[in-house]
Amino acid sequence: QQPVQSPQAVILREGEDAVINCSSSKALYSVHWYRQKHGEAPVFLMILLKGGEQKGHEKISASFNEKKQQSSLYLTASQLSYSGTYFCGTEWATGNQFYFGTGTSLTVIP
Amino acid sequence: DGGITQSPKYLFRKEGQNVTLSCEQNLNHDAMYWYRQDPGQGLRLIYYSQIVNDFQKGDIAEGYSVSREKKESFPLTVTSAQKNPTAFYLCASSIPGLAGLSVEQFFGPGTRLTVL
Repeated sequence: QQPVQSPQAVILREGEDAVINCSSSKALYSVHWYRQKHGEAPVFLMILLKGGEQKGHEKISASFNEKKQQSSLYLTASQLSYSGTYFCGTEWATGNQFYFGTGTSLTVIP
Repeated sequence: DGGITQSPKYLFRKEGQNVTLSCEQNLNHDAMYWYRQDPGQGLRLIYYSQIVNDFQKGDIAEGYSVSREKKESFPLTVTSAQKNPTAFYLCASSIPGLAGLSVEQFFGPGTRLTVL
């Protein structure tokens, strides 16, 4: 039930791009993306709904492939501030239990 | 400023003692959640509440208890029955998910519980 994220960890140089994937074994209604800095609370990035996509941050976007039950988070021209652990969260229907993925650690170096 | 507060930030307890973690929100959100986070793992849901005086178990509710007597408060008690309570605990809240909508969760700063 917990979505699987890949890769588990990635190291980038400033300006490079990255893709983080989130896969579910069940059909998804929505996918959320959050970023967590070490020792801090997760911060919301964006929500993607079945049948559509909601706008996220600049240079950070996401896609939602309903057939593959998968979402991908795209970080372009990475900045040092992008470092952190990225979590996807999934739900199968509105109001149902929410499941977070195992997280992807992203480190951006100068 | 609206937000979620959790106290204390760090908590130490002896094995076998019950401990209650505080979570308060002034966002006027109906739904509240408790998650547990272990190193290298994602967030696992302990309990959630969609409305006052009602709550449901998440995936790892054993050894935990909650109450929801007020809209703004959702305390979590870690009981002595919880076999491995040392973890980072996060509280979150959201407006209820209406039909056709999925809503973001707002997180508190977390409480790091260490059982000695």
